[in-house]
Amino acid sequence: NAGVTQTPKFQVLKTGQSMTLQCAQDMNHEYMSWYRQDPGMGLRLIHYSVGAGITDQGEVPNGYNVSRSTTEDFPLRLLSAAPSQTSVYFCASRKGHGSSYEQYFGPGTRLTVT
Amino acid sequence: QQQVKQSPQSLIVQKGGIPIINCAYENTAFDYFPWYQQFPGKGPALLIAIRPDVSEKKEGRFTISFNKSAKQFSLHIMDSQPGDSATYFCAASTGGSEKLVFGKGTKLTVNP
Repeated sequence: NAGVTQTPKFQVLKTGQSMTLQCAQDMNHEYMSWYRQDPGMGLRLIHYSVGAGITDQGEVPNGYNVSRSTTEDFPLRLLSAAPSQTSVYFCASRKGHGSSYEQYFGPGTRLTVT
Repeated sequence: QQQVKQSPQSLIVQKGGIPIINCAYENTAFDYFPWYQQFPGKGPALLIAIRPDVSEKKEGRFTISFNKSAKQFSLHIMDSQPGDSATYFCAASTGGSEKLVFGKGTKLTVNP
């Protein structure tokens, strides 16, 4: 199993540009999440999904959109990038309700917005 | 409002020492308390986790101590090694919710 994969590893955007961060998992996990990590701030939840077609907001959802059309994929869209969105983004997945709470994290995407 | 407060921000110990990282929480509905370990350039990985029905859990050299009345939990690393040098995050959630709340992290350095 590849686990949780994220692409790209690095990205530089100009203010106002849009892009999609890709996340895929091959563990047949129901739950998937997106976090951002900023220096001295820990990880903060952006959006999450408890199954295909079901998404909800986390702690810092503004400026980001998500959708979940398949169990495997959970892309994160930046509609109009801002310098405040410069961060490292992590995707995570875990088994569904009633199973282990362990979240498996991807390797991250480092995004810089100029 | 920071729901999980972690201290210290950084910690330096000598090989063989026992670093201790502390976390305090406010929400009494939290019932799952994991610790994650993160190496530079990598994603966090679950190290050990505890539920509030026990006061201590050990896995190898790593121990979580949990004090429900004080709303605090801590990570102890026995016989620390240079390979333990990483950033450690505590976290908390309620009822298996996806809304995992993280502390701000502790950068641990273990000198040889």
